[in-house]
Amino acid sequence: AQTVTQSQPEMSVQEAETVTLSCTYDTSESDYYLFWYKQPPSRQMILVIRQEAYKQQNATENRFSVNFQKAAKSFSLKISDSQLGDAAMYFCAYIDLTGANNLFFGTGTRLTVIP
Amino acid sequence: GAGVSQSPSNKVTEKGKDVELRCDPISGHTALYWYRQSLGQGLEFLIYFQGNSAPDKSGLPSDRFSAERTGGSVSTLTIQRTQQEDSAVYLCASSLDWQGALNSPLHFGNGTRLTVT
Repeated sequence: AQTVTQSQPEMSVQEAETVTLSCTYDTSESDYYLFWYKQPPSRQMILVIRQEAYKQQNATENRFSVNFQKAAKSFSLKISDSQLGDAAMYFCAYIDLTGANNLFFGTGTRLTVIP
Repeated sequence: GAGVSQSPSNKVTEKGKDVELRCDPISGHTALYWYRQSLGQGLEFLIYFQGNSAPDKSGLPSDRFSAERTGGSVSTLTIQRTQQEDSAVYLCASSLDWQGALNSPLHFGNGTRLTVT
């Protein structure tokens, strides 16, 4: 069964600094997608970044980038120049191409940004 | 247009009562998911609807849970004989692509916070 693990329940970062959130996953599939979602207090889930497993190049979206290590089944999120608005719960998620289209989520990391 | 709408935003019910949670997906989105988020936990998959196909109910925790999606649009999640452990935030999400979240991002609603007393 696919599992997604986020080992850091809470993280904090000074404003304007860089922070990395960890995520590992377990799968026997070779084709899959990985996501990072942000959940602010409003509870709305916002897609931050997406990575296709067949792509070797790490995805980037402005201040957000990932370090995708397929062999190690690791998918960390780096937030550069952290802003107060980045404070939220961050969820790592996985979906494969088996057709089930079931999106598996980790338990989340609560990020605090210190002014 | 509007995003995914869920109602009510908060629901308090007594143990043993039935509750219905509603989700209005984005117009035209064929895929619809229900998730449960308990305190300190990740999102637990409950059920997935894709167009007119039979739903994937593999995540429903017990037979007290059921869901319908009428006309391929609005979905209702029903919990019968609620228990205290059912207390959680119930999130609904929809996506455009027929492959669900594979090729298009999921759009989440703001969730319904259910409290069973």
